[in-house]
Amino acid sequence: GESVGLHLPTLSVQEGDNSIINCAYSNSASDYFIWYKQESGKGPQFIIDIRSNMDKRQGQRVTVLLNKTVKHLSLQIAATQPGDSAVYFCAETRGKLIFGQGTELSVKP
Amino acid sequence: DTGVSQNPRHKITKRGQNVTFRCDPISEHNRLYWYRQTLGQGPEFLTYFQNEAQLEKSRLLSDRFSAERPKGSFSTLEIQRTEQGDSAMYLCASRWDRDFTDTQYFGPGTRLTVL
Repeated sequence: GESVGLHLPTLSVQEGDNSIINCAYSNSASDYFIWYKQESGKGPQFIIDIRSNMDKRQGQRVTVLLNKTVKHLSLQIAATQPGDSAVYFCAETRGKLIFGQGTELSVKP
Repeated sequence: DTGVSQNPRHKITKRGQNVTFRCDPISEHNRLYWYRQTLGQGPEFLTYFQNEAQLEKSRLLSDRFSAERPKGSFSTLEIQRTEQGDSAMYLCASRWDRDFTDTQYFGPGTRLTVL
């Protein structure tokens, strides 16, 4: 889809619930994907990555799923905490990073 | 601190002035990238260096922008004759090209405000 300009998609969850953040990518030839977390006023922080020869990868409290058929990525955060509140971006790499539209995650205590 | 550092963190300037930002990458990283991020958007690629060689420039990088990495370590990004549309966060990232992953590590950014 097209960018919605200044209005980021938002996701609001209760502390302790699981969060699922979705992302569509554009190039079927992309072979490496990264999820970044960006807190207000800071640079993007690496969370987890996945290569195109995988469909799932798990980290600490996070899981990334890759569906190459529909060019879709998702980031699952287990037991979401207030410190997880941030904007989350997926990125595909073609040498440089191509970022998708971010999602603002808000965690309610 | 062994992460990517950027200076200054904030810069306010008047339209028409020149500004220069500095990025110090992670020490063993030979690739260095510059991105620009406007409010509500993801970072957009501007340019990158492999050691001291500038290998790719985005069409976003107008002729008022110039980047250097003279000794293959730190890099500078200069904007001449700034315009209000240049107001953005300028991010630097680095990586080692022999790393198994393609992950780029970002600095905290320089926020530019052009009045």
